[in-house]
Amino acid sequence: SQQGEEDPQALSIQEGENATMNCSYKTSINNLQWYRQNSGRGLVHLILIRSNEREKHSGRLRVTLDTSKKSSSLLITASRAADTASYFCATERAGGTSYGKLTFGQGTILTVHP
Amino acid sequence: GAVVSQHPSWVICKSGTSVKIECRSLDFQATTMFWYRQFPKQSLMLMATSNEGSKATYEQGVEKDKFLINHASLTLSTLTVTSAHPEDSSFYICSARERFPNEQFFGPGTRLTVL
Repeated sequence: SQQGEEDPQALSIQEGENATMNCSYKTSINNLQWYRQNSGRGLVHLILIRSNEREKHSGRLRVTLDTSKKSSSLLITASRAADTASYFCATERAGGTSYGKLTFGQGTILTVHP
Repeated sequence: GAVVSQHPSWVICKSGTSVKIECRSLDFQATTMFWYRQFPKQSLMLMATSNEGSKATYEQGVEKDKFLINHASLTLSTLTVTSAHPEDSSFYICSARERFPNEQFFGPGTRLTVL
């Protein structure tokens, strides 16, 4: 079963606004990653945050990780129409047999209106 | 960033035939490759983990005799869907990973349609 749960399932905003997506998970992790997927296309890696990190930035992206609450958030600032896509969080579980395996959340469909 | 390719990008086949999908890491050696399946409007589900030179390990509920995985070299893994049926129609995505760092690089996906 999918470990990650994301909310909201869908988010619709205007260009220039900020978009926040949340992800929760259930087990101990090595890291959490965020990916973007345009309709019918492959995944684009956005950012990786390790379990001992609390916040990370990359351009207009800001990711936080709260391991005590087993949750993460992705903030996209000053959104653009080109940011319209599905966004997935993925967790790499801690533990030898799970090395490298990613469990994906259900995803958030972001629509940014011009 | 590193590049992973998949071939073909889409395939349509008749029920009962077998289809082979290739996943290649173009500019790095992938010690591990992963195969995922994604149904429309759903998330990715891990099917199996493939390590070069050893047998693939399959996730619970994935039939290893139906989804044959071969990882013959550090740059190539193949997934063969044997005796495909319409319910196997899906988007199949591979990813490749070097030993370090932790990042996985995803291929563009292969859309399989079984008639």
